[in-house]
Amino acid sequence: EAGVTQFPSHSVIEKGQTVTLRCDPISGHDNLYWYRRVMGKEIKFLLHFVKESKQDESGMPNNRFLAERTGGTYSTLKVQPAELEDSGVYFCASSPRQSNSPLHFGNGTRLTVT
Amino acid sequence: GESVGLHLPTLSVQEGDNSIINCAYSNSASDYFIWYKQESGKGPQFIIDIRSNMDKRQGQRVTVLLNKTVKHLSLQIAATQPGDSAVYFCAEKKLYNFNKFYFGSGTKLNVKP
Repeated sequence: EAGVTQFPSHSVIEKGQTVTLRCDPISGHDNLYWYRRVMGKEIKFLLHFVKESKQDESGMPNNRFLAERTGGTYSTLKVQPAELEDSGVYFCASSPRQSNSPLHFGNGTRLTVT
Repeated sequence: GESVGLHLPTLSVQEGDNSIINCAYSNSASDYFIWYKQESGKGPQFIIDIRSNMDKRQGQRVTVLLNKTVKHLSLQIAATQPGDSAVYFCAEKKLYNFNKFYFGSGTKLNVKP
């Protein structure tokens, strides 16, 4: 089975620009999550989709971040306009519908805002 | 967010020795815990999990211990190998919380040959 894939693997943009990250979850996984790790700190939750619906977006830093999952398949996370503090590694994860099942992570997108 | 082992210590061990990585969590309502391993340039990879109705679970060369009284989780790696060098994260989930996990900042394990 193909794992969670993320694109791009790296992105370097200037402050004020826009970046869109993409995540393709494991086929059949209803749950899709975005997490972020900044400056070697803990991996922080951003938001959670169940199919195409946002279940929990309590971790989104501010309204410069917009996540979508049209059709309940792949998801995008757009940062507009990017700020220096948005730099970090953005991870996407997916899991099946059942509760208490582990998250399967992609390799992340390393975002650098200069 | 929840406090789950917010320090990032580094543990150095000799190849062949056993490793113990510790994690403290703050939410007594958490019912499911996972250890993840993250190698450079990759995403966190599942190692082992444990539910709150257990206090010990064993896998291949790994054992997870859960002490709910003091809210402590540990990962034991037997006969540590160079390939075990990575950052290890513990993660917790609250009961009925749709697989939303809270992660610690991780522990870096260095295995010396």
